[in-house]
Order: sequence, then C-alpha cells, then structure tokens
Amino acid sequence: NAGVTQTPKFRVLKTGQSMTLLCAQDMNHEYMYWYRQDPGMGLRLIHYSVGEGTTAKGEVPDGYNVSRLKKQNFLLGLESAAPSQTSVYFCASSSAGYQVAGQGWMNQPQHFGDGTRLSIL
Amino acid sequence: DAKTTQPNSMESNEEEPVHLPCNHSTISGTDYIHWYRQLPSQGPEYVIHGLTSNVNNRMASLAIAEDRKSSTLILHRATLRDAAVYYCTVQGSARQLTFGSGTQLTVLP
Repeated sequence: NAGVTQTPKFRVLKTGQSMTLLCAQDMNHEYMYWYRQDPGMGLRLIHYSVGEGTTAKGEVPDGYNVSRLKKQNFLLGLESAAPSQTSVYFCASSSAGYQVAGQGWMNQPQHFGDGTRLSIL
Repeated sequence: DAKTTQPNSMESNEEEPVHLPCNHSTISGTDYIHWYRQLPSQGPEYVIHGLTSNVNNRMASLAIAEDRKSSTLILHRATLRDAAVYYCTVQGSARQLTFGSGTQLTVLP
C-alpha cells in the first residue's frame, strides 16, 4: 500500500498565482487533514474533513480552500499565493474517532504523507 | 485543547534509554495524550497514546503521572534512527490534534 501520497513534492510559485495540492490515501480512512509546517516550528492545522463532502476550518485556514469530493482525496487550494504561505505542507488521514464510555473522545492515529515543499516568490 | 510544554532539545547515547518529558498541566480528565515523531525530511509518524495507565508498544513506552499533568515517553534503547523531533499532544473533544514545537532528540554514537 502507498499510504498517503502528496502531489507535487516541490513547487515554486509567483505571488498571486493559484494552485492545488492533491492528497490521496488508500487506507479507506474517514478523516483527512492538511497541516503546514514553517521552519523550526510544529505543525499547524489548516483544514480537516471528517467525511466525504464535509470540511472544517483548523487553526490557520485563511487564504486556503479545501474540497473532499471523494473519500480518498483531499485537495488544498491556494487562491492567490502570498510569500507568507511559503511552507512545507503535510496531509494526513486517520480512521474515524470514537467515544469511549466514561473516557472521552478517542482520535485514531494519523498517517502522514511526505510533504509538499512550496516556495512563493 | 490543553497546552503542552516540552524541552527544546535532548541528547542521548546510543543503546541507552531515553526519557522524553512533557507537561500538560491543564489537561482534563478525558483528554488523551498522543506522541508523534518526525524524522528529518519526513512527515510525522505516530508513536503511542494513552489516557491514564502506562502503555507499551513495539516502539516505546508511555508513562503517565498519577495526576495526569505530565507524561514521559520512554525509548528503551535509543538507536541512531531514533534521532527525530518528538511531539507530545493532548487531544480534547475536538477531532484534531494540536502540535507544539516538540523536542529535538540527538542520539550520539
């Protein structure tokens, strides 16, 4: 199995250009996520999806849009790229979480792709 | 979600145990603790998770304090391949994890 595949692996854009990053998973996972990681920092959640046709905002959603038209794919779009969006973008997927009686909500482990390195000039 | 605090960096000698600490003093009673690690130039990978009891798997052990305000990830015998950034996260009711800056583990030969 390929797991989580991100396309492309590298990209250079000019300010104002638009592009779409593709994430594909072959594990039949319900949940999918897009993160960005800036140098020396942890990951920050951009958007996520808990099922086909649904999306939700994460910590840093501005300037990005997402779509989950098929269960296995999660697309991240940059409408008008800005230098501040230069980053490494990671996609992840996981099985659906579940409520454990008396113990709260349990998120399943996330499986990550290898990232897309995006530079905006 | 509860905030986590980890040391920025730690060093260990190869084949010795490593104890990576994490403070999460604002954790609530039903929040799970998850650990991930990120090898150089790769995406993060899941390591272990737990709620109250200590947990073991093939990669590591997770020791959770009795008051749950802190936890420790234990690598029993560090190898050079364990050099990575280790992230401790606390997951609350939201269906997402919040990653901090993590601990950069250096393993010395």
